[in-house]
Amino acid sequence: AQSVTQPDIHITVSEGASLELRCNYSYGATPYLFWYVQSPGQGLQLLLKYFSGDTLVQGIKGFEAEFKRSQSSFNLRKPSVHWSDAAEYFCAVGEGFKTIFGAGTRLFVKA
Amino acid sequence: GAGVSQSPRYKVAKRGQDVALRCDPISGHVSLFWYQQALGQGPEFLTYFQNEAQLDKSGLPSDRFFAERPEGSVSTLKIQRTQQEDSAVYLCASSNVPQKVGYTFGSGTRLTVV
Repeated sequence: AQSVTQPDIHITVSEGASLELRCNYSYGATPYLFWYVQSPGQGLQLLLKYFSGDTLVQGIKGFEAEFKRSQSSFNLRKPSVHWSDAAEYFCAVGEGFKTIFGAGTRLFVKA
Repeated sequence: GAGVSQSPRYKVAKRGQDVALRCDPISGHVSLFWYQQALGQGPEFLTYFQNEAQLDKSGLPSDRFFAERPEGSVSTLKIQRTQQEDSAVYLCASSNVPQKVGYTFGSGTRLTVV
């Protein structure tokens, strides 16, 4: 079975600072990888996805992620964080038709 | 509709009561998923439908949980004889090609069993 690890339960960054959220996965072949964001009381919104091709993928809201096979990682980045980015972020890997989610990283943004 | 709609948004049930949670997916989406999200956790897979066929129900935690999608559109997740450990947010998601395009999620139903 596949699994996803998000090592950081929560992260605090200053508004305008850069952000990197870590994600490691376990899967034998090239995985389908996703990042979702969840604002309080809301469902999850897809930020970006990777399944082949260029290992640096661009998403919505200025986010990007880089797939590194050698490190089994798919870290999410943003060059300059806005206060509205405060939310819970979930990394996920596709397993057949279903998706396996990590436990999430909560992002706090300070002024 | 434009998005995935779930109802009710909140449900408080007394222990032992039966509940039914509704999901209205995006029109035309073939795949429909139910996930359970406990407080502070990521979503956990419950079950998957392709049209009206339930292809995977391996995540349903007990035989008290039952899901259906009789006409291949609206789905209902039913929990019988609710227990306190059933308290969670139940998320519905739909997609046409989930492996490649990901899901569109509803806002969820928060179930509290007292």
